[in-house]
Amino acid sequence: QLQLQESGPGLVKPSETLSLTCTVSAGSISSSSYYWAWIRQPPGKGLEWVGSIYHSGSTYYNPSLKSRVTISVDTSKNQFSLKLSSVTAADTAVYYCARLLVDYDSSGYATGWYFDLWGRGTLVTVSS
Amino acid sequence: QSALTQPASVSGSPGQSITISCTGTRSDVGSYNLVSWYQQHPGKAPKLMIYEVSKRPSGVSNRFSGSKSGNTASLTISGLQAEDEADYYCCSYATSSTFGIGGGTKLTVL
Repeated sequence: QLQLQESGPGLVKPSETLSLTCTVSAGSISSSSYYWAWIRQPPGKGLEWVGSIYHSGSTYYNPSLKSRVTISVDTSKNQFSLKLSSVTAADTAVYYCARLLVDYDSSGYATGWYFDLWGRGTLVTVSS
Repeated sequence: QSALTQPASVSGSPGQSITISCTGTRSDVGSYNLVSWYQQHPGKAPKLMIYEVSKRPSGVSNRFSGSKSGNTASLTISGLQAEDEADYYCCSYATSSTFGIGGGTKLTVL
């Protein structure tokens, strides 16, 4: 069964860049029906969509984070990555990677667009 | 991309039914039948419970159902069980391939 696993530093200093990688196992990141996403959750708070990427490299970002976010994909390693620059304490959160199912019906209307598989999450703390 | 509005908390006794609302706008919930719901137990990753407004993934109990009217989607849990106590989040596709996610609702089973 396909699994997702986040990895990266658990502590990042303010103003530096947060970098995380999600490794996809027991399945291909190049599957045509799926995008791959990052979602974060500050301690004790709700979920926030960060951004999504297709295996071709096409990306969509949360407008509130767009100026600081870069999501990339490495199909040879079956991985996708998140970089968030100029971090502050407000970026402290559990970061989840997830699989996003996307499809279109015969009329071209979008179907799916839901997160059907999630990693366990990794806590990233921004502190000096 | 805007957050969707959910009640902070709901509660019910075992066996009862509860409904959680999720209010968006014409840019998200009102324009697309692409609302999904997630259950999250403490310290765990979210789990998909409903997709495309009212569809259940394989393995999810039929006690969970979803609906939508206008800009508001709803999740109903019937026959409440202790294991249903968790946080619930709604999520909607929005224009320009972005997502709005609700602030979350804490369900307490009394």
